Amino acid sequence: EPEVTQTPSHQVTQMGQEVILRCVPISNHLYFYWYRQILGQKVEFLVSFYNNEISEKSEIFDDQFSVERPDGSNFTLKIRSTKLEDSAMYFCASAGLVGETQYFGPGTRLLVL
Amino acid sequence: SQQGEEDPQALSIQEGENATMNCSYKTSINNLQWYRQNSGRGLVHLILIRSNEREKHSGRLRVTLDTSKKSSSLLITASRAADTASYFCATDRVRGGSQGNLIFGKGTKLSVKP
Repeated sequence: EPEVTQTPSHQVTQMGQEVILRCVPISNHLYFYWYRQILGQKVEFLVSFYNNEISEKSEIFDDQFSVERPDGSNFTLKIRSTKLEDSAMYFCASAGLVGETQYFGPGTRLLVL
Repeated sequence: SQQGEEDPQALSIQEGENATMNCSYKTSINNLQWYRQNSGRGLVHLILIRSNEREKHSGRLRVTLDTSKKSSSLLITASRAADTASYFCATDRVRGGSQGNLIFGKGTKLSVKP
């Protein structure tokens, strides 16, 4: 069964460093999303991406964040200068159509020291 | 306002019993999805129910949706120890230009004792 994959599974970084989180969505899906979950809290929407551009973003997704689909398979989230409060589990999700099931990847646990 | 609030926050049952979790939301929705998350792991999709549907089944899972009360329930029948996990509802709200981003609740932590 097709699945969303994410790398790395864990990332430890120093405050102020840049990190890139990678995702490979399900191959025939068109809609891509990033969410995050701070430990013990609920999952929060960050950004949606369709047709090679951001279609919607939350207040969390400030200028420190960017997304890219550099080729036909990868979807990346970059945090330019990490802060302590960026420590969280980051989930990528994809869907074939708007309003259809969103399939989530296993997540990248980011720890900012 | 909070969208997607589950109750109870925690539920502990014996293997073989049924588990019912509820979700309430505040705004009109296109669909509601239920997910399971084992501790510290990824989100596994369980069921999607659309706003024009009232009930859906998948194996031991039964989901209901009452749009007049803005609530949904997830029933797991004949629970197993392997069902121990957190369960989240997530809503796709009706909005102009919606791209389907989901609003999650805080989840119900289910513990099934063998």
